[in-house]
Amino acid sequence: SSELTQDPAVSVALGQTVRITCQGDSLRAFYANWYQQKPRQAPVLVIYGKNNRPSGIPDRFSGSSSGNTASLTITGAQAEDEASYYCNSRDSSGDHLGVFGGGTKLTVL
Amino acid sequence: LLVESGGGLVQPGGSLRLSCVGSGFSFSSYSMNWVRQAPGKGLEWVSYISSGSTTIYYADSVKGRFTISRDNAKKSLFLQLNSLRAEDTAIYYCAREYRGSYYYMDVWGKGTTVTFSS
Repeated sequence: SSELTQDPAVSVALGQTVRITCQGDSLRAFYANWYQQKPRQAPVLVIYGKNNRPSGIPDRFSGSSSGNTASLTITGAQAEDEASYYCNSRDSSGDHLGVFGGGTKLTVL
Repeated sequence: LLVESGGGLVQPGGSLRLSCVGSGFSFSSYSMNWVRQAPGKGLEWVSYISSGSTTIYYADSVKGRFTISRDNAKKSLFLQLNSLRAEDTAIYYCAREYRGSYYYMDVWGKGTTVTFSS
């Protein structure tokens, strides 16, 4: 198994840019996926792989990776982006997506 | 679309069987996962099953107590929960997994809640 570490909370002013990071050894070998979760809702995939957005996800969401750190960037944060964000990647064996970060609560001011 | 069911109140050492029905896609072509979320906590991966049930993985926290299975003819995924503990209280989500150049969980159900009753 392996671990992914995220900052518990981050804030951003409306319309500004924010970066949410995720650190872990498995990220040296595998890309992170990012999920958005709003209160009392199921998670929604927002970024997968190198930097891919599922259909319907605004292009203000982007992903990047360097070394053992993956990042989710929101360029021009909107009020509706206030949510918790979780990174997820394969475990050290690469067999399954068994590792989640602890989540980052994003507040849009 | 994925719809979970089967959650409820359970007592120490009790059992429960969760179900997840898929629709709108070729269920038998996809690997599936169970992911849970304890009250006020983050997401925790629980178990994985390949499209043909040939490969199965469990989180260490549930290994030996939970059993994942599927019935592709009924487009259904299951999670048998045995020897339940207080720390198993959570919302349980089923999630479809895409496996290609990348692996990711792209479709999630709304979840079913397992609550521990002392």
